[in-house]
Amino acid sequence: NAGVTQTPKFQVLKTGQSMTLQCAQDMNHEYMSWYRQDPGMGLRLIHYSVGAGITDQGEVPNGYNVSRSTTEDFPLRLLSAAPSQTSVYFCATRNYYYEQYFGPGTRLTVT
Amino acid sequence: EDKVVQSPLSLVVHEGDTVTLNCSYEVTNFRSLLWYKQEKKAPTFLFMLTSSGIEKKSGRLSSILDKKELFSILNITATQTGDSAVYLCAVEGAQKLVFGQGTRLTINP
Repeated sequence: NAGVTQTPKFQVLKTGQSMTLQCAQDMNHEYMSWYRQDPGMGLRLIHYSVGAGITDQGEVPNGYNVSRSTTEDFPLRLLSAAPSQTSVYFCATRNYYYEQYFGPGTRLTVT
Repeated sequence: EDKVVQSPLSLVVHEGDTVTLNCSYEVTNFRSLLWYKQEKKAPTFLFMLTSSGIEKKSGRLSSILDKKELFSILNITATQTGDSAVYLCAVEGAQKLVFGQGTRLTINP
């Protein structure tokens, strides 16, 4: 039981490049979400999904796209990377009891 | 706008001291309040609180929620250096989890 996995662990992009951060879970949780964490700002919600085929915007959705074609996977796409997107990204799932489980994080640097 | 505010933002104490971390919130459609501990990796779950006045306890850590005054506290007694971390408070409301900025706790030997 791997829980929540994220790839890659580290990534460096140039401004304007696009990429996809992968998130997968094997706990059969319906709810999945993406957060970014910046120093002094806690975790901010980017997008979330309450089940396959359903996604919605969080607090800071601009510059990011998501899709949820399966229960297991919830990829986050950066369309055109900007230095302001330098951050640590966490994927999380939530169980029926509203307990959240976080992936290990992806550290992204945009130069 | 939903808001979660933690205080203090930073706290340095000596091993053996007791600390109290605060979390106040303004969130529509409140469902639950959660506490996490974050060291140099992903946050790990500590407690979830949904009802006022009922203390949750795990070893030296305890937490309580006041839904009337819209706050929660996290207590750590007999602190150890391994308690050094950032403690995050988050409130679940309307399908979204809103996090506070975190309290960075440092325990000196």
